[in-house]
Amino acid sequence: GESVGLHLPTLSVQEGDNSIINCAYSNSASDYFIWYKQESGKGPQFIIDIRSNMDKRQGQRVTVLLNKTVKHLSLQIAATQPGDSAVYFCAENALMYSGGGADGLTFGKGTHLIIQP
Amino acid sequence: SQTIHQWPATLVQPVGSPLSLECTVEGTSNPNLYWYRQAAGRGLQLLFYSVGIGQISSEVPQNLSASRPQDRQFILSSKKLLLSDSGFYLCAWSSGPSTDTQYFGPGTRLTVL
Repeated sequence: GESVGLHLPTLSVQEGDNSIINCAYSNSASDYFIWYKQESGKGPQFIIDIRSNMDKRQGQRVTVLLNKTVKHLSLQIAATQPGDSAVYFCAENALMYSGGGADGLTFGKGTHLIIQP
Repeated sequence: SQTIHQWPATLVQPVGSPLSLECTVEGTSNPNLYWYRQAAGRGLQLLFYSVGIGQISSEVPQNLSASRPQDRQFILSSKKLLLSDSGFYLCAWSSGPSTDTQYFGPGTRLTVL
């Protein structure tokens, strides 16, 4: 049969604007969250993390917001630059397999951030 | 500082051939080590993880195996590659449990023809 390729959600922003990338997590018991950046052909790179006892954490040009009530995580990038073009994905420390397999990080599928000149 | 290496960076292999991908970590002792596969447009699929020398846990039944002959060395192998083994293979390490921050290597792009 015909195969259909999967397409990542895409966010396109103008250079210099702020970017907001969202992530909905699944497990209310998760207490640690990480944002990764993955450039084409490279391994994921750690950006910033946050524990569940915090609502907000800031890094250099990046801010992570955590809303535990609605299980939502966001990454804000200030003054977006061409080098910010990448796939961004979140991870939570939920059980990876409901069948009682290994604990570990559960990764989202990612959002492709495109910077328009 | 800690660094993680993977090689080769790219590999093209015929169906039925063997595979050996290597991962090494520097600057840390007794790390937890992980092998992931990432298909295009998809998330990360955990294949194996290891908490110590000779200790391997397999998460997904498959055509692949892993070994940890040394503290900071993790090897992904196959005796006979399948077309479906093509993908981007990532090694990662963490200093704490698997629920802690994991740091990734540069990856190996494997194409099976």
